[in-house]
Amino acid sequence: GQNIDQPTEMTATEGAIVQINCTYQTSGFNGLFWYQQHAGEAPTFLSYNVLDGLEEKGRFSSFLSRSKGYSYLLLKELQMKDSASYLCAVDNDYKLSFGAGTTVTVRA
Amino acid sequence: IAGITQAPTSQILAAGRRMTLRCTQDMRHNAMYWYRQDLGLGLRLIHYSNTAGTTGKGEVPDGYSVSRANTDDFPLTLASAVPSQTSVYFCASSETSGSYNEQFFGPGTRLTVL
Repeated sequence: GQNIDQPTEMTATEGAIVQINCTYQTSGFNGLFWYQQHAGEAPTFLSYNVLDGLEEKGRFSSFLSRSKGYSYLLLKELQMKDSASYLCAVDNDYKLSFGAGTTVTVRA
Repeated sequence: IAGITQAPTSQILAAGRRMTLRCTQDMRHNAMYWYRQDLGLGLRLIHYSNTAGTTGKGEVPDGYSVSRANTDDFPLTLASAVPSQTSVYFCASSETSGSYNEQFFGPGTRLTVL
């Protein structure tokens, strides 16, 4: 089976930095995605990592270590609109297996 | 239409009834997917289709069926609904079923089975 773990909840202050960790154990690996999902809405794509290292995209960065089965999503200069769930998903045999998601609450 | 649409937006259904959730995309994507999302469990794949005319089973296929008669449409049918199928259902599509298959999600259908 697939095992993808991420923290359930995180709280941070506006303007701060938050790091959301994701560890995975899957039978195959073709890449790792991060999605953002606001309450009551559909998930939307944030980032994709297939090689080890850091991918930076504006205020969001994502890191991957394939040997450790580990990724993190870094959110910088937090804004109130960043309050959402963040979903880690592993591409396993070209189908996505999702973690349960991390709900981030940004406080003023 | 732009992207993926799903219908209905929400539905309350009596147990034992048959129900079809509709999904249409206008991006000419080859691959389409159905997920259910339950609190604490995340998104789980029900069925998928890599291209028109083919379908496959995901992680939780029991009680559900799909068809893919053309590129644009991918309906999900519950033959005889049960309360454990109460969930939010998301349809998604991707350009291909290969590597870097970024998936685009529809707005979801909230289904309650009583």
